[in-house]
Amino acid sequence: ELKVEQNPLFLSMQEGKNYTIYCNYSTTSDRLYWYRQDPGKSLESLFVLLSNGAVKQEGRLMASLDTKARLSTLHITAAVHDLSATYFCAVSLGNQFYFGTGTSLTVIP
Amino acid sequence: SQTIHQWPATLVQPVGSPLSLECTVEGTSNPNLYWYRQAAGRGLQLLFYSVGIGQISSEVPQNLSASRPQDRQFILSSKKLLLSDSGFYLCAWSAGQGISEQYFGPGTRLTVT
Repeated sequence: ELKVEQNPLFLSMQEGKNYTIYCNYSTTSDRLYWYRQDPGKSLESLFVLLSNGAVKQEGRLMASLDTKARLSTLHITAAVHDLSATYFCAVSLGNQFYFGTGTSLTVIP
Repeated sequence: SQTIHQWPATLVQPVGSPLSLECTVEGTSNPNLYWYRQAAGRGLQLLFYSVGIGQISSEVPQNLSASRPQDRQFILSSKKLLLSDSGFYLCAWSAGQGISEQYFGPGTRLTVT
């Protein structure tokens, strides 16, 4: 069974600071996804990474994928309060999607 | 464009009562459909997924069942709810073929009392 691990599970950071969330997975897959979930809400797709070395950026968030290391990172640049949410990575294999445990991010003014 | 609907949005049910949650997708054909459950403050647990009408794969043995009576309709049911069934139920779809991401519905918050 494919396992997906995220760390940290909880992250409290000050506005303006940078930080990285890590996502490791156990089995070869070329498809890595990042989602955002606000409290009480559903999941919103952020990034889809489809190949080794893929990098995507949207605003203050940048995601990258290293399929050889089975690692994806979500980098936060100059955090703002609006980024407070839970972030999930997921890996697909065939028709199934395997989710990490999520990283709960709190940005403190 | 594609949209995914879930209802009801919230539900409070007593222990031992039946359950029926519905999910429909518009704007696509032959999607893969998924049911997830999320306990408070926790990650997503895949419950069922379906690649076609009448085709259901179960990931976790439990008192829940799923059915897909139509191409774009996915139903989650239970004959008798348990307290542990409380949670946030999310339906999702992905394209049936090719590389595709997964799109989530708005969710149903179920409280079993």
